[in-house]
Amino acid sequence: KAGVTQTPRYLIKTRGQQVTLSCSPISGHRSVSWYQQTPGQGLQFLFEYFSETQRNKGNFPGRFSGRQFSNSRSEMNVSTLELGDSALYLCASTPGAAYNSPLHFGNGTRLTVT
Amino acid sequence: AQSVTQLDSQVPVFEEAPVELRCNYSSSVSVYLFWYVQYPNQGLQLLLKYLSGSTLVKGINGFEAEFNKSQTSFHLRKPSVHISDTAEYFCAVSDQVDTGRRALTFGSGTRLQVQP
Repeated sequence: KAGVTQTPRYLIKTRGQQVTLSCSPISGHRSVSWYQQTPGQGLQFLFEYFSETQRNKGNFPGRFSGRQFSNSRSEMNVSTLELGDSALYLCASTPGAAYNSPLHFGNGTRLTVT
Repeated sequence: AQSVTQLDSQVPVFEEAPVELRCNYSSSVSVYLFWYVQYPNQGLQLLLKYLSGSTLVKGINGFEAEFNKSQTSFHLRKPSVHISDTAEYFCAVSDQVDTGRRALTFGSGTRLQVQP
């Protein structure tokens, strides 16, 4: 079974631009979560989607948004990029809505904002 | 709010020596506990999890962890490390609250450096 696939792996953007990151979960997985990883703040929860509905959202500004499609693929968007948005963005999937299911992570998209 | 403390940011150890990576959490409710490993330029991989039952949990690659409810700890151990265990290790917790919502709270990570 293919793992969680995130595209692109690397991205360089300029302040003020917007960016869209993509995540394809493991086949059959319906829940997708997004995390931001930075050296200073560590791993922080962005949001979780299940069956195209956002079920939970972390403490991030409204510039960060996401969506999930009917095939469970997910995208996250960051508008008006700031230097502090430079990070590794990780997507994770689980089969269902259970809160005790371990997350299966992709290799991430490394975003650099200049 | 949940918090997870990994007491050591870096742990250097010689190959074939034992190692313990410490993790404490703060929660007033029952929790699920996880350890993940991250190799350079990769995502996180699950090492082991505690959901219920036996407090000693065995995971992949020879790792194990012990859940101690009274001390709110979930320390990770390996009796003999290899060079290939060099990586960053994250402890994570989620509440056993069936709200239908789920977000893991991660610790800040411990970098395990195995030296020959």
